[in-house]
Order: sequence, then structure tokens, then C-alpha cells
Amino acid sequence: DIQMTQFPSSLSASIGDRVTITCRASQDINNYLAWFQQKPGKAPKSLIYSASSLQGGVSSKFSGSGSGSDFTLTISSLQPEDFAIYYCLQYSTYPWTFGQGTKVEIK
Amino acid sequence: QLVESGGGLVQPGRSLRLSCTASGFTVDYHMSWFRQAPGKGLEWVGLIRRKASGGTTEYAASVEGRFTISRDDSKSILYLHMTGLTTEDTAVYYCSSDGTTPMSTWGQGTLVTVSS
Repeated sequence: DIQMTQFPSSLSASIGDRVTITCRASQDINNYLAWFQQKPGKAPKSLIYSASSLQGGVSSKFSGSGSGSDFTLTISSLQPEDFAIYYCLQYSTYPWTFGQGTKVEIK
Repeated sequence: QLVESGGGLVQPGRSLRLSCTASGFTVDYHMSWFRQAPGKGLEWVGLIRRKASGGTTEYAASVEGRFTISRDDSKSILYLHMTGLTTEDTAVYYCSSDGTTPMSTWGQGTLVTVSS
């Protein structure tokens, strides 16, 4: 199985900060990488697919980058509604596997 | 939107069938099930391809042979038939559908609790 290592596991940031979350795959995943946001008690929301493509209706403050096995999610200017847990998912090879999640908290 | 149903309390070893009903869009896409144990991260459960791609399935090792995913496109419903349930299967189960982009639509989830 492909292992997805996501870091940091948590971070504290202030409103307006630029935040970066990293996900590293144990092998090349051909950019089949998605990012999700999950708020407490809610379903995950898809933000990014194919490593860098923004899902429809998602704010352009979210961006994804990377290739091969190293990927990042960037939030350009953190807003109150962005405090949540973020997960990466590789869907290149079965079984699909998630990163452990990054909890973004208010500083 | 997608709406899951069928969750609840079930004893170990028993079976349960979850449904995921789509409204407002066609379900002629690849569809997946995910789950999240209490206080844990997300886990992929399995996928069923669209009928035009053969309607074939893939499963996580943890559920292979116990869970079956099926679909009834005429009713716009995705199913997850779970057998041999254990306490490790306790989780919120989410369905997701591709659209023009992967995993673009998610349901709100349904809680399955396996306990005696």
C-alpha cells in the first residue's frame, strides 16, 4: 500500500497568515492527489483534485502544488472559516490512502 | 446531493445495508464509500465504477470479502452491504460521487455502531 505522510499534524496560525501543509507519498502517485477540509461533525469537503485543480465553488485562496510524491496545500490568507482538519488522499493506486490529517487551529 | 441512510446500532457478527440516494444529478459516475471511526481520520472503504466502465468494484483489505458495494442507477442509489460486522467497523460512513471531477460530491454521513 502507498503510505501518505502528512505534516504537520497540527498548527496554530493567525487570521491572515499563509499556511502550508505537506503530504509525501511513499512512491510516485502521478498527481492523483486530492485535498479535503473537514469541520467538526461535518462531512469532508473536496478542495483540490489532481494535485492542483480547484474544485468548483472552492475559494481561490486554496491552492495545491507538487508532483511525483511531494505535494502541498496552501491557504493564502487564513480566515475564521478555514479552521478545520485537512486531509490528503492518493487515488493513484488501490487501496486509496489518506494522510493522517492536519488540524489548523487559531493562535 | 447525496443522502446516506441505514446506519444504526448492530450487534457484532450481524449484517447491515447502507444506502446512498442521489438527488438532482445523475449517478452515472464512479462512486465510493469512506468511513471515519470516532476521533480518527478518514479511511477509504471501496469504489464501484460507472456501468459504462463495467460497474466493477475495489475494496480496502479491511473489508474485502465482508462488504459489497452495488448500485441501482435506475433508482439513483448506491449500496454498501456489510456482513460479519465487528467493533472495528464502528464509524460514520460517507458516500461520494465523481462528477466532472473526482469525489466532488459527498453525503452527510450515517453512523454505524457495532456493539453488543
